[in-house]
Order: sequence, then C-alpha cells, then structure tokens
Amino acid sequence: QVQLQESGPGLVKPSETLSLTCTVSGGSISSYYWSWIRQPAGKGLEWIGRIYTSGSTNYNPSLKSRVTMSVDTSKNQFSLKLSSVTAADTAVYYCAREGGGSMIDYWGQGTLVTVSS
Amino acid sequence: DIQMTQSPSSLSASVGDRVTITCRASQSISSYLNWYQQKPGKAPKLLIYAASSLQSGVPSRFSGSGSGTDFTLTISSLQPEDFATYYCQQSYSTPFAFGPGTKVDIK
Repeated sequence: QVQLQESGPGLVKPSETLSLTCTVSGGSISSYYWSWIRQPAGKGLEWIGRIYTSGSTNYNPSLKSRVTMSVDTSKNQFSLKLSSVTAADTAVYYCAREGGGSMIDYWGQGTLVTVSS
Repeated sequence: DIQMTQSPSSLSASVGDRVTITCRASQSISSYLNWYQQKPGKAPKLLIYAASSLQSGVPSRFSGSGSGTDFTLTISSLQPEDFATYYCQQSYSTPFAFGPGTKVDIK
C-alpha cells in the first residue's frame, strides 16, 4: 500500500520560501507523476503542479513564477518550494500520486502551513 | 485554462435518498473527469475516475456519467458515511482544476 507523508515547517514568515518534502513508502516513486495540491481553511482544492520522476514539471500558471518542484528518486522523495509567500498561501498542503489516468489515487494526510510573522 | 463548476454548492438529504451532483467544464474534456469525496480534516478520496470508472473499494452506490463538458455523480442510496464534500477534477490538460465542491449534509 503506497503511503505519502508531508514534512516541513508549519510556520513561514511573509516574503520567505515555503519548503515541503513528501516521502513515499510502500512503492517506488519511479514512473509516476507526483503532485502538490493545497486547500485554504474552509475552501476548495487548488492544484499547484506536478513532477514526473524524470524531473519534468507542470505548474499552475497562477503560481508558476513562485513554484519549484524537485524529485529525489534515491530517497523516494519529492519536494515543493513556494517563494515570496503571503498570508494567502496559508493552507493545508497535500502531496499526492497521479495514477494512470491522471487521477489522484493516493494522498498524503496533509500538512498545515501558516504564513505569519 | 479549463474552468470547472459544480451544482448545487450544497444540498441537504436524508439517508436512503438518491443524490445527484453535476459538474461542468468550460470546454470539452472528453472523459477525463474524476470525483473525490472529502470529510472534515481528511484528505480527499478518489471515488470515480475517467468519468464512470469506480475506484477499487468504493461502494457500488456511487456512479458517474457524462462526457464532453457535462458530468454527473450519483449516489443511489445515501448512507450516513456519505455526508461529506464532493469535488470534481478535470485531468484533460494542466492545470488540473478542481470544481468548487458540493457539500452534502443531513436533512
């Protein structure tokens, strides 16, 4: 059973960079797309972007200028960096696996990141 | 970018009711439409993929239909554990946008 676990600081200061890592267990990270999705409190889901194990990425244009994703296949991990954060970036961040039809079939439990000084 | 809408935004229903939620895409997405269920404080769970394929382990009372721009999620007989928020998502082209969600609560 594939499991995903997000890790990273729960509090980030405005204008700084949010950094999260997702560790994949129970299966190989290879040959899949891996995604980041976020959800502000009480609101809907926002697709941030995805990375393939080759390193190829697709980002949401609304965040593209601030987002960087990377993958470390040796550690079965992938990461998200979001720069120049503001309070509007406060949300629960989910890492997830994209299945064969580009649906999200496995999700992490989510981690709350608060942007505040 | 493809925009997704859902209706209704919320509904109240009773156990045993048949419930239908509609999702519409701003352009044709063929059958690249997925449905998720989310309960408070939990990650979303995949219910239906490719518009009508039931994810393994999901009860058969859930079904999906549609293609092109208009899609439907149906719960044939609502159970207590089905009270949740439901999201559609297009996976036709990036960014893979989600609909705004439909909250199903107890009548």
